[in-house]
Amino acid sequence: GEDVEQSLFLSVREGDSSVINCTYTDSSSTYLYWYKQEPGAGLQLLTYIFSNMDMKQDQRLTVLLNKKDKHLSLRIADTQTGDSAIYFCAERRYNQGGKLIFGQGTELSVKP
Amino acid sequence: KAGVTQTPRYLIKTRGQQVTLSCSPISGHRSVSWYQQTPGQGLQFLFEYFSETQRNKGNFPGRFSGRQFSNSRSEMNVSTLELGDSALYLCASSLELTGDDTQYFGPGTRLTVL
Repeated sequence: GEDVEQSLFLSVREGDSSVINCTYTDSSSTYLYWYKQEPGAGLQLLTYIFSNMDMKQDQRLTVLLNKKDKHLSLRIADTQTGDSAIYFCAERRYNQGGKLIFGQGTELSVKP
Repeated sequence: KAGVTQTPRYLIKTRGQQVTLSCSPISGHRSVSWYQQTPGQGLQFLFEYFSETQRNKGNFPGRFSGRQFSNSRSEMNVSTLELGDSALYLCASSLELTGDDTQYFGPGTRLTVL
């Protein structure tokens, strides 16, 4: 199908790790992205991974990719209140002209 | 390097009017894409321009159109506005030169149709 799926809400305590999950559908080689959106703002690119990779780490962010299950996750270590935002995963559809297909977004709430 | 800029940031229009939104990509970026974000439908692809040509188009009615200028700046136009066109319109640019097609987004234009 067309959909990229994400859970809608996640609540964590400050200092804990957050794991945001996403499933995608394209079985061909592609790029997968994580974007962050704060209230009233646009999308900030956090990180991305090519579909032939298993993992990518960038400071507090770790992306894990399970190609067999088409499952992508974003782990935020030592989550801070400033990490509270909506997180979108997106799949690049090269067989549809290269447009990005977004999930519904996961609202992350970090409690002090 | 400056990021993607969009003007205006906020717009209020009435049904039946038309509107033009502007996007200036990151310097050197040649591709500009437009997305619509609504609470009900989420983020949906409108169209993409590259070298002044529309390269890809989403499933939106013909009331939604766009263009790209020789300096890569892009505009999108919505004619005969409907209440359902109220949304955040996001523009994204990508370099495309070395195979890097990562999209960087602007802050968006919030359109309210009354």
